[in-house]
Amino acid sequence: KQEVTQIPAALSVPEGENLVLNCSFTDSAIYNLQWFRQDPGKGLTSLLLIQSSQREQTSGRLNASLDKSSGRSTLYIAASQPGDSATYLCAVRPGGSQGNLIFGKGTKLSVKP
Amino acid sequence: DTGVSQDPRHKITKRGQNVTFRCDPISEHNRLYWYRQTLGQGPEFLTYFQNEAQLEKSRLLSDRFSAERPKGSFSTLEIQRTEQGDSAMYLCASSFFRGADTQYFGPGTRLTVL
Repeated sequence: KQEVTQIPAALSVPEGENLVLNCSFTDSAIYNLQWFRQDPGKGLTSLLLIQSSQREQTSGRLNASLDKSSGRSTLYIAASQPGDSATYLCAVRPGGSQGNLIFGKGTKLSVKP
Repeated sequence: DTGVSQDPRHKITKRGQNVTFRCDPISEHNRLYWYRQTLGQGPEFLTYFQNEAQLEKSRLLSDRFSAERPKGSFSTLEIQRTEQGDSAMYLCASSFFRGADTQYFGPGTRLTVL
């Protein structure tokens, strides 16, 4: 059974710092991995999607990497800003699945001015 | 492109009542998903449609839950005889099954069962 773990559960950093969020999954047979952002009481915003054949994806100050064999992904946020404060969720789509995602519990990020 | 929309955004009901939620996916998206999220947890998959066909259901989807997607457009999720344990955020997502198949989520419906 695929399980997704995110460490740390919460992170507080001063504005301007670069930071890394970690995601691990137990079964390397995945179709893709997606990172989301969730603001309090809101839905999810897709940030980056990495296909199983890819090693990384970049969008602006965000960079996500995937090491499928070791069951790990990282989300790197450069030059953090207070507006980056949110919960970041990692989700994997298992290989052979019809499309449902399996989520971690998220990392709650607070960027202090 | 207005994104995925859900209605209502909030629903408060008494235990034992029936509730129905609606999701309108991004136009042209042929896949539609329902998830449930409780406080401090990641979303959990409930069910999934490709066009009008319901192709997968989670074990979380008890007999009190039913979902439809008539004509492959909007979808409804009905919960019968609600229980306090049904209190959660119900999220809908849609995707276009071609290439990346990125899922785009709606704002969610927050259900509170008293």
